[in-house]
Amino acid sequence: AQSVAQPEDQVNVAEGNPLTVKCTYSVSGNPYLFWYVQYPNRGLQFLLKYITGDNLVKGSYGFEAEFNKSQTSFHLKKPSALVSDSALYFCAVRGRMDSNYQLIWGAGTKLIIKP
Amino acid sequence: ETGVTQTPRHLVMGMTNKKSLKCEQHLGHNAMYWYKQSAKKPLELMFVYSLEERVENNSVPSRFSPECPNSSHLFLHLHTLQPEDSALYLCASSQEGPPGVWEQYFGPGTRLTVT
Repeated sequence: AQSVAQPEDQVNVAEGNPLTVKCTYSVSGNPYLFWYVQYPNRGLQFLLKYITGDNLVKGSYGFEAEFNKSQTSFHLKKPSALVSDSALYFCAVRGRMDSNYQLIWGAGTKLIIKP
Repeated sequence: ETGVTQTPRHLVMGMTNKKSLKCEQHLGHNAMYWYKQSAKKPLELMFVYSLEERVENNSVPSRFSPECPNSSHLFLHLHTLQPEDSALYLCASSQEGPPGVWEQYFGPGTRLTVT
């Protein structure tokens, strides 16, 4: 069965430190991978996506993610965290033959950046 | 803002009420979605409309009834809901079909409380 795992419910990072939010997946064939962010009382916002090519994808607000096919992972990273990065982060995946609405979502990781 | 609006933002209703949620997208997309978001759970896809035709209905109870009168508007009609239906209801839109792999754009959500 296809699935997405975000193994950490919450990640705590000090401001200025690097951050990583983990995502692993299981999908048939090669995947399309997405990260979204949800700020309090807001809907989800698209951050970045991996389609093909360079395994390191750069997105909005200084975030990047690295696609690792052998480890079936797509971890979200940022070199220096800001307090304003505190939010809920969702990883999503779909197979290349699937339609856009067949996204499989992770349960989300709450990121807390402390001053 | 993402170009997807939802009204109302908050709704409290009794189990015998009938209410409707409204979503409007200003992005020229051809697909629209309803999701249910509950705490610490993956997003649950409820309904998908592509080119105004319903293409997905994930075993949603009949007390939820969608309506898509045109490609820009989506409604979710609610009646005789249960307390467990209390959640954040998110509307999203995207471009469906080649070329490209398209992300979804989300509205801010309607926080529904069933008493």
